[in-house]
Amino acid sequence: EVQLVESGGGLVQPGGSLRLSCAASRFISSSYDMNWVRQAPGKGLEWISFMTNENSPKYYADSVRGRFTISRDDASNSLYLQMNYLRAEDTAVYYCATHRPGLDDAFDVWGRGTVVTVSS
Amino acid sequence: DIQMTQSPSSLSASVGDRVTITCRASQSINTYLNWYQQKPGKAPKLLIYAASSLQSGVPSRFSGSGSGTEFTLTISSLQPEDFASYYCQQTYNKPRRTFGQGTKVEIK
Repeated sequence: EVQLVESGGGLVQPGGSLRLSCAASRFISSSYDMNWVRQAPGKGLEWISFMTNENSPKYYADSVRGRFTISRDDASNSLYLQMNYLRAEDTAVYYCATHRPGLDDAFDVWGRGTVVTVSS
Repeated sequence: DIQMTQSPSSLSASVGDRVTITCRASQSINTYLNWYQQKPGKAPKLLIYAASSLQSGVPSRFSGSGSGTEFTLTISSLQPEDFASYYCQQTYNKPRRTFGQGTKVEIK
């Protein structure tokens, strides 16, 4: 089964750090592009980060650039999001998502999400 | 970044109704437009890609159309399981594949 599973969410104080993980099933090729998308409580979807491989540029939304870092470990089929200097407005469900070939880059595989709460 | 604007933000409809949701892009995106359905507490699910192509397994009552800056998602006969939120997404400006703000379809 094609699957992505996020982990690492939790409660963190403002200014703190958290590292999210996304484990991909063996049916997700290490050549697939990977994204992080988040959704604040009661709000819409926000694309926040993208990467192809460690040798290619990584991209971020303005809201997280300079604070978040995306990375991947193809040996373990895992994607990561290192989140530093967290703010209350980073509170959200964080999803990893990929787009397999042939679907015009539509995100056809999503994880279930992991909840991040930034609060004192 | 390309801005995506959906209308309406919410709508009330009855089972069997024909429902249309509009998505407008701030610049031309050709047909690089996707539609997703999201139910409470669940991840989004891809419905339509490339403006009008139905994703495998999605019922044929869902259809998409449009090109350039204006797009529509139509549900020909609303079913109870279709009450959800719907989002458009542009994939023209890669990799910043931005979403619309969403449309919530509620039971009338």
